[in-house]
Amino acid sequence: EIVMTQSPATLSVSPGDGVTLSCRASEYVGSKLAWYQQKPGQAPRLLISDGSTRAAGIPARFSASGSGTEFTLTISSLESEDFAIYYCQHFNNWPLTFGGGTKVEIK
Amino acid sequence: QVQLVESGGGLVKPGGSLRLSCAASGFTFRDYNMNWIRQTPGKGLEWVSFVSDGGDTIYYADSVKGRFTVSRDNAKNLLHLHMNSLRPEDTALYYCARGAGDIDYWGQGTQVTVSS
Repeated sequence: EIVMTQSPATLSVSPGDGVTLSCRASEYVGSKLAWYQQKPGQAPRLLISDGSTRAAGIPARFSASGSGTEFTLTISSLESEDFAIYYCQHFNNWPLTFGGGTKVEIK
Repeated sequence: QVQLVESGGGLVKPGGSLRLSCAASGFTFRDYNMNWIRQTPGKGLEWVSFVSDGGDTIYYADSVKGRFTVSRDNAKNLLHLHMNSLRPEDTALYYCARGAGDIDYWGQGTQVTVSS
């Protein structure tokens, strides 16, 4: 199975800051990569699919790029509701696998 | 709006069985592929099973193959997960989730605890 590795595990930032999260796949996944946001007590929410396409209703401050094995998620200017855990997931083949997550916390 | 509501979780002894259900509404259930995905604090998010829209294509994670069975009832808009020979490592929050790759909607989950 493809192993998804996210870094860093935790980011401590201030509201208004920009952040970049990284995700690496152990094998080629093309652009079959999704990003999710999860807040405490809630299910994950789809942010980005196909490597860089924002899901419906996702603000433009969220952007993503990458293909192959290296991917990034950028939040241009953090708002209070963006403090959460972010996961990447490939869907190039089965089994689907997720990264371990990056927690974005308030500094 | 799309709603996925899981039920059937609970406390079960090792070796026991449970059946999870997911009631779907707000979309044409028979047109969508569905998944079960579980989450634990230690292992994170783990995909468990996939069933295609018509039910003719099914996949399982190696960790549950031979023990879990996924099924769907498109007439009743229901997704099921039959879990047998449960182990402590199956303890998790189980989500019903829509999609064939990326997951665009998730339920709120039902907790399964396997403990003696």
